[in-house]
Amino acid sequence: DTAVSQTPKYLVTQMGNDKSIKCEQNLGHDTMYWYKQDSKKFLKIMFSYNNKELIINETVPNRFSPKSPDKAHLNLHINSLELGDSAVYFCASSPWDRENQPQHFGDGTRLSIL
Amino acid sequence: DQQVKQNSPSLSVQEGRISILNCDYTNSMFDYFLWYKKYPAEGPTFLISISSIKDKNEDGRFTVFLNKSAKHLSLHIVPSQPGDSAVYFCAASGGAGGTSYGKLTFGQGTILTVHP
Repeated sequence: DTAVSQTPKYLVTQMGNDKSIKCEQNLGHDTMYWYKQDSKKFLKIMFSYNNKELIINETVPNRFSPKSPDKAHLNLHINSLELGDSAVYFCASSPWDRENQPQHFGDGTRLSIL
Repeated sequence: DQQVKQNSPSLSVQEGRISILNCDYTNSMFDYFLWYKKYPAEGPTFLISISSIKDKNEDGRFTVFLNKSAKHLSLHIVPSQPGDSAVYFCAASGGAGGTSYGKLTFGQGTILTVHP
């Protein structure tokens, strides 16, 4: 009964490859996010979607393309992987309303580029 | 430009004593603040939050204090337990509406170790 689940948990691949990370939430939330935790441990937002519509798109290389087939899923596709893409990627979700609500996070996908 | 800062990378406390974790922010538009706890190989888990209209929020052993004039918040854990040992992240949000809705800005985390 995991609330926010990400697959795969670990991903090791070669530079230049294309890979995807999947995220699903069963909390009934309308908004989903992708965060990147770099080597300095900072968690930084990359994208957010509300009910399949892109809301936040931070300064992220266009090699990163999020896709939301429905409001319970938000996938992240990365083209032409580079060494600097090595990080932990976290998916999160929250309700969409006017009251402040905490975001709920998945356990992360650890991406290592060789 | 770090808008949320946790200046103490680590904190070590004896079991049963108080743990105080601090966080400073620079953006006066932030109006919602959260603390997350993170264990290794897991995602951040929401702990407690506070809106800018309050200066204190309490939930069991956890209390968050907000000092808007100083742009400072702190998390108090009393009494501390060994199971509280984790990384604690402070986060802030600019509130509802607009393209920044839901965007959380995180500090770099403080590693709390509670010794038995």
